[in-house]
Amino acid sequence: QSVLTQPPSASGTPGQRVTISCSGSSSNIGSNTVNWYQQLPGTAPKILIYSNNQRPSGVPDRFSGSKSGTSASLAISGLQSEDEADYYCAVWDDSLNGVFGGGTKLTVL
Amino acid sequence: EVQLVESGGGLVQPGRSLRLSCAVSGFTFDDYAMHWVRQTPGKGLEWVSGISWNSARIVYADSVKGRFAISRDNAKNSLYLQMNSLRGEDTALYYCARAPAGIAVAVMTFDSWGQGTLVTVSS
Repeated sequence: QSVLTQPPSASGTPGQRVTISCSGSSSNIGSNTVNWYQQLPGTAPKILIYSNNQRPSGVPDRFSGSKSGTSASLAISGLQSEDEADYYCAVWDDSLNGVFGGGTKLTVL
Repeated sequence: EVQLVESGGGLVQPGRSLRLSCAVSGFTFDDYAMHWVRQTPGKGLEWVSGISWNSARIVYADSVKGRFAISRDNAKNSLYLQMNSLRGEDTALYYCARAPAGIAVAVMTFDSWGQGTLVTVSS
């Protein structure tokens, strides 16, 4: 099991708002910035959010990130069918390791 | 266009060695820290190792420390992962990934990824 805890699955209908949580500890989320990745089936991961809440150019503003204490969240508003993918949080841990969450499979119903 | 192309994967017996390469193009390689990330088929992502732009700072996951060695050749625009004493649990798709310019190696921000090279450790 991962150092970062994510729900294994999430779902929503088109147009809905969905949030995915990522729970960590003082040595990772509590002291370093959080990143979020989207992985579409059969492709490499793509960065969605960096530094807790920053969107790279080209990422729609439907995607947003937040962090509070030792937890972080990814929110997707106006859910679309193409958002169906696996989502991972990632953060540096002060034990000198990079860590990913276990991933959340998002299904658009 | 930024490109990262991994190679060197394959089927290898437990205990043997393999060297992965990542050839990059479309950017100034020695401006960026680089990392290896792996993914077990059908499962999640695992960070493996990272190296600063000048190789001065190198970090490893506990699961590979002492067995794997990351290196880079800035003149050849290439990143490497020497994997020794391979185990079944090292079976995975190995990605090389770029950290944004100016980012220290101890950050999990990767703005470009290759498509991966598959390593299978089995007798």
